[in-house]
Amino acid sequence: DTGVSQDPRHKITKRGQNVTFRCDPISEHNRLYWYRQTLGQGPEFLTYFQNEAQLEKSRLLSDRFSAERPKGSFSTLEIQRTEQGDSAMYLCASSPEWVGRPGGYTFGSGTRLTVV
Amino acid sequence: EDQVTQSPEALRLQEGESSSLNCSYTVSGLRGLFWYRQDPGKGPEFLFTLYSAGEEKEKERLKATLTKKESFLHITAPKPEDSATYLCAALPYGGSQGNLIFGKGTKLSVKP
Repeated sequence: DTGVSQDPRHKITKRGQNVTFRCDPISEHNRLYWYRQTLGQGPEFLTYFQNEAQLEKSRLLSDRFSAERPKGSFSTLEIQRTEQGDSAMYLCASSPEWVGRPGGYTFGSGTRLTVV
Repeated sequence: EDQVTQSPEALRLQEGESSSLNCSYTVSGLRGLFWYRQDPGKGPEFLFTLYSAGEEKEKERLKATLTKKESFLHITAPKPEDSATYLCAALPYGGSQGNLIFGKGTKLSVKP
């Protein structure tokens, strides 16, 4: 088990460009989550999937954001027409269906997005 | 509104100087209280989950406790490698299982 993998680790993009991030969860986890973290703040929930179904989206997830999890395996998070306020660390996490099992949510190392 | 507040924001300790970090939560029923450690540029690393008041969990120099309104992370005889930001998160009933509510964290520095 290699944990939760995120790619890329860092992304610098110009304002107005589209970016896509990938997350590969722990293979036996059927739940996958996306969070966003800015400097000096705790992570904020964006959205989560159970298998391929997107079950909840935060109000933080504007129309420019879209997430998918085809076939219930890896997930992608796309941001269209990036703005400077999108600069943040984007974290992916996965969990078994019952988060009470030991380990809770396992986070990846994140993708650091900088919009210039 | 569900909220998690951590204090202090930053804590500087000498090696071996024990202390506690506080996490106060206001949620509509607590499903679970989570502690994570986060190193610079990395994702949060899971430490503990607590479910009910009175529960305690330990791991090496760390011990987490839970009451009906707050949780404490006690650090006994810390070492420089314990330096990190410690995050607390609450999972409330009534919402989805995805929506962990995090505090801003306590940045711990342990000097040799």
